[in-house]
Amino acid sequence: DVVMTQSPLSLPVTLGQPASISCRSSQSLVYSDGNTYLNWFQQRPGQSPRRLIYKVSNRDFGVPDRFSGSGSGTDFTLKISRVEAEDVGVYYCMQGTHWPWTFGQGTKVEIK
Amino acid sequence: EVQLVESGGGLVQPGGSLRLSCAASEFSFSICSMNWVRQAPGKGLEWVSYISSGSSTIYYADSVKGRFTISRDNAKNSLYLQMNSLRDEDTAVYYCARDSPNYDILTDWGQGTLVTVAS
Repeated sequence: DVVMTQSPLSLPVTLGQPASISCRSSQSLVYSDGNTYLNWFQQRPGQSPRRLIYKVSNRDFGVPDRFSGSGSGTDFTLKISRVEAEDVGVYYCMQGTHWPWTFGQGTKVEIK
Repeated sequence: EVQLVESGGGLVQPGGSLRLSCAASEFSFSICSMNWVRQAPGKGLEWVSYISSGSSTIYYADSVKGRFTISRDNAKNSLYLQMNSLRDEDTAVYYCARDSPNYDILTDWGQGTLVTVAS
């Protein structure tokens, strides 16, 4: 199985400051069709997960542009340009290139 | 707005069975592949099972293979998960999640249903 490793696992951030989460996969996530199926999900406290980013860098409808995704191959990053209070929660990377699909351990973002 | 409503969770003894349902609405269910994803209390997300739009392709996580069966009824806009031989470690919130067409993965999620396996 593809192992997804996130860092850090806990991320205290000051409001208005940037935040960055790393996600590394144990093998390349480039699929035979040329796409890289690396997604990012946000789970606010007490809520269901919500997809933020798909195929590395595409923001879902309604996701603020302070969220951005980047990376390639086995190394990916989610960035929040200026953290707001509503961004508190756990963020997961997830790969959909290889079966079984696998998630990272999650990174808990909290306000300092 | 896409609606996914899970039901069927509850308390069950180890070795028991439970059937989860997911009622889908406000989108073309029959053209979307569907998934079950679970989350143990205080833990991360674990993908459990996938079923293609026409049920021809099905995948399971190794942790549930041989014990869980995913199915769907496109006429009823419903997804199911039959869970047999339940273990303590199956205790989790189970989410139903859809893939949009063209392999757009896990675009929408339900609110989840809690399954507790305990004696």
